[in-house]
Amino acid sequence: IAGITQAPTSQILAAGRRMTLRCTQDMRHNAMYWYRQDLGLGLRLIHYSNTAGTTGKGEVPDGYSVSRANTDDFPLTLASAVPSQTSVYFCASSIENTGELFFGEGSRLTVL
Amino acid sequence: GQNIDQPTEMTATEGAIVQINCTYQTSGFNGLFWYQQHAGEAPTFLSYNVLDGLEEKGRFSSFLSRSKGYSYLLLKELQMKDSASYLCAVRDSNYQLIWGAGTKLIIKP
Repeated sequence: IAGITQAPTSQILAAGRRMTLRCTQDMRHNAMYWYRQDLGLGLRLIHYSNTAGTTGKGEVPDGYSVSRANTDDFPLTLASAVPSQTSVYFCASSIENTGELFFGEGSRLTVL
Repeated sequence: GQNIDQPTEMTATEGAIVQINCTYQTSGFNGLFWYQQHAGEAPTFLSYNVLDGLEEKGRFSSFLSRSKGYSYLLLKELQMKDSASYLCAVRDSNYQLIWGAGTKLIIKP
């Protein structure tokens, strides 16, 4: 693994199903983030974690949950997917909270 | 509310210069960032400004005026590979990044 890895890269999901997007980084960055990117809108922060064991809510947290059991992993869970959660999801990390983010390649999620 | 404005799309010619503007209104200011995002790919960091003035990095330069809530990204000697979206982001008083919707730059031969 080099950098930040997301899985799956693409997924079609039925509404009401539970889904976990995985994110792993090997850069030992303390801060990690989940964003969603929708056409015509800027990246919107869903949840973040400044360090292992802590998480915080971003701009659009409803319907999503995260955990940060260790430095490397930051999974995002949709408990019961809805069509409005159709989006491209990016995981990112940074050294502390510097603003220079390193992004994963994204997970394209379609909820039908 | 917090707002980042940048043009939706711009077109320029290979070899030319283009300036992409960004204006912002945020609760606090702790730096302005520019990212490049090629279609279907992840954003990558380009530049960071926290003080007024111009920061130059090769063919790319970024300017900031905090009093005007304004920044621009200047791309010189445009190449076809510069065709991408350019995202402006401001770090607010909570040290969270607020993102503009991005400017899609189309380079024509």
